[in-house]
Amino acid sequence: EVQLVESGGGLVKPGGSLRLSCAASGFTFSSYSMNWVRQAPGKGLEWVSSISSSSSYIYYADSVKGRFTISRDNAKNSLYLQMNSLRAEDTAVYYCARVVFGWDVWGQGTTVTVSS
Amino acid sequence: DIQMTQSPSTLSASVGDRVTITCRASQSISSWLAWYQQKPGKAPKLLIYDASSLESGVPSRFSGSGSGTEFTLTISSLQPDDFATYYCQQYNSYSTFGGGTKVEIK
Repeated sequence: EVQLVESGGGLVKPGGSLRLSCAASGFTFSSYSMNWVRQAPGKGLEWVSSISSSSSYIYYADSVKGRFTISRDNAKNSLYLQMNSLRAEDTAVYYCARVVFGWDVWGQGTTVTVSS
Repeated sequence: DIQMTQSPSTLSASVGDRVTITCRASQSISSWLAWYQQKPGKAPKLLIYDASSLESGVPSRFSGSGSGTEFTLTISSLQPDDFATYYCQQYNSYSTFGGGTKVEIK
């Protein structure tokens, strides 16, 4: 079964850091570009970051540029999001998603809450 | 940055109704557009990609059309399982999602 499972979310104070992980299974992870998307409580979807299959191309939304770092380990079938200098407005459910035509496989999401 | 504007933001409809949701891009995105369905507490589900291609396993009552800056998602006969929020997404330049359309029971 093709599956993505996020982990690493939690409660963190403003200015703190968190590292999210996304474990892939059931497909050849190293062949696909991947993305992080977030959804603040009661709000719509916001693209956060993208990484190509070999990590050659990396992109960030302006709202997280300079604070978040996307990476992947194809040997471990894993995608990561290092989040530093967290702000209250980063509070959201964070999803990882696979890129094919459109984004066809999504994880269940992990919740990040930034609050003092 | 490319902005995506969806309308309406909320839509009230009955089972069996034909439903149309519109998405407008701030600049041309060719056909690099997808539609997703999201239910509360769940991840989005891909319905349509490349503006008009139906994702495998998605019922044929869903269809997409458009190119350039104007796009539509049509549900030909609304079913009980279709009450959800729908998002468009451009992937011509990075990615941007529309604000969403909530389809409610009338």
